[in-house]
Amino acid sequence: EIVLTQSPGTLSLSPGERATLSCRASQSVSSSYLAWYQQKPGQSPRLLIYDASSRATGIPDRFTGSGSGTDFTLTISSLEPEDSAVYYCQQYGSSPLTFGGGTKVEIK
Amino acid sequence: EVQLVESGGGLVKPGGSLRLSCTASGLTLSTTYMTWIRQAPGKGLEWVGRVKSKIDGGTADSAAAVKGRFTISRDDSKNTLYLQMDSLKTEDTAVYYCNTWVEVAGVPADYWGQGTPVTVSS
Repeated sequence: EIVLTQSPGTLSLSPGERATLSCRASQSVSSSYLAWYQQKPGQSPRLLIYDASSRATGIPDRFTGSGSGTDFTLTISSLEPEDSAVYYCQQYGSSPLTFGGGTKVEIK
Repeated sequence: EVQLVESGGGLVKPGGSLRLSCTASGLTLSTTYMTWIRQAPGKGLEWVGRVKSKIDGGTADSAAAVKGRFTISRDDSKNTLYLQMDSLKTEDTAVYYCNTWVEVAGVPADYWGQGTPVTVSS
C-alpha cells in the first residue's frame, strides 16, 4: 500500500499570498496518477488536479499541480478567501487507492 | 446533469450489517468506475473500495480495513451501486460517499453523493 504524507498540517496565509502544499509518497506513484481534492466544511470534496498536473473541469488557473515519482506539490498562486479548505492528495495508480492526511489552509 | 443519491445509512450495533445504495441519474453506472469513500468524524478521507466499469471487467476491490467484511456491487438494471457492510465495528463510523469521475473531451469531472452517515455504536 502506498502511504501518502502531506505537509504542513496547517497553513495560515493572507489573501494574495502563495500557498505550497506537499504530498510525499512511500513509493513511486505509477504514471503520476495523483490527484488533489479540496474539501470545505460540510461539503463533499471537489477534484482540483488529476494526473499530477492537469486541472479538472472548471478549476481556476491559480491552482497548479506538479511533481512525479514520490514528490508532488499543489501550489495556489494567489490565495482567495474562498480557498479556505482542507486539501487532500490521492494516488490512483495502484490498488488500494490511498489518500494523504490533508493540509488545512486558513486565510488570515 | 449527473446526480448521485446515497441512502441506507443509520445507527447499527457492533457486529451488525447495513447496506448503502447510491443511485445515479444522468449517468450509466456500468460505463464508469464507481468508488466508495468514507470520512470519520473530524478525520480525513479514506478510500473504501471500487467497482470497475463493465468494459474493464466490472470487478471490485477494497481497502484492507474492510476486506472480507464489506462487499461492493452494482445493479445495472437499477443503475445503482451498493455497499454491503457486515461485521461492523465502531471504527466504521463515518459519512460514506459514492464518487465517480466522468470524462468530457478527455477532462474528468468528479461527482459525489451527498454522503450518508453510518454510526456503529451499542
